[in-house]
Amino acid sequence: DIVMTQTPSSQAVSAGEKVTMSCKSSQSLLYSENKKNYLAWYQQKPGQSPKLLISWASTRESGVPDRFIGSGSGTDFTLTISSVQAEDLAVYYCEQYYDTPFTFGSGTKLEIK
Amino acid sequence: EVQLVESGGGLVQPGRSLKLSCAASGFTFSNYGMAWVRQAPTKGLEWVATISYDGSSTYYRDSVKGRFTISRDNAKSTLYLQMDSLRSEDTATYYCARHGQPFDYWGQGVMVTVSS
Repeated sequence: DIVMTQTPSSQAVSAGEKVTMSCKSSQSLLYSENKKNYLAWYQQKPGQSPKLLISWASTRESGVPDRFIGSGSGTDFTLTISSVQAEDLAVYYCEQYYDTPFTFGSGTKLEIK
Repeated sequence: EVQLVESGGGLVQPGRSLKLSCAASGFTFSNYGMAWVRQAPTKGLEWVATISYDGSSTYYRDSVKGRFTISRDNAKSTLYLQMDSLRSEDTATYYCARHGQPFDYWGQGVMVTVSS
């Protein structure tokens, strides 16, 4: 199984600050034939179901604010929120869909100071 | 608007069965793979099973193979999860998700509690 490791497990920032969180996979998620990284980021707000933010490591879903930026390739990925807002309070999960079993990281909990 | 509405959860004793349903609307159900993803209380997300758009292929995590069966009825735009021989470790909120590579839409979830 591909193991997804997210760091930090939690982070507290003030509104307006920039935050970055990391996701590392135990094997490459880059498929050589199409040059795509099979990595997604989800946001789960308290009491809600997860919401897809970013697919293919860096493609924002429709309606997702442009302050959410996905980057990285291979085994190392980053989610950056350029200017955190109060409504970004949530747990953020990365997920690999390169191979079954599809696996998620343990999440980064974002708290607003 | 894509909507996924799960039902069928509840409290069940270990070893017993339960069947979850997910009613889909707002998209052409028969064009998409579908999946179940679960989340144990205060824990992270765990993929359970996926079914192809036409039901011809199914995939399961090892811990549920032989106990859970994912199926679909494209005429009714409904996804199912038959859960047999339930264990305490199956206790979780179960989400239905459209598996558009990746999981691009999620339902609100249904709670399954396995306890005597």
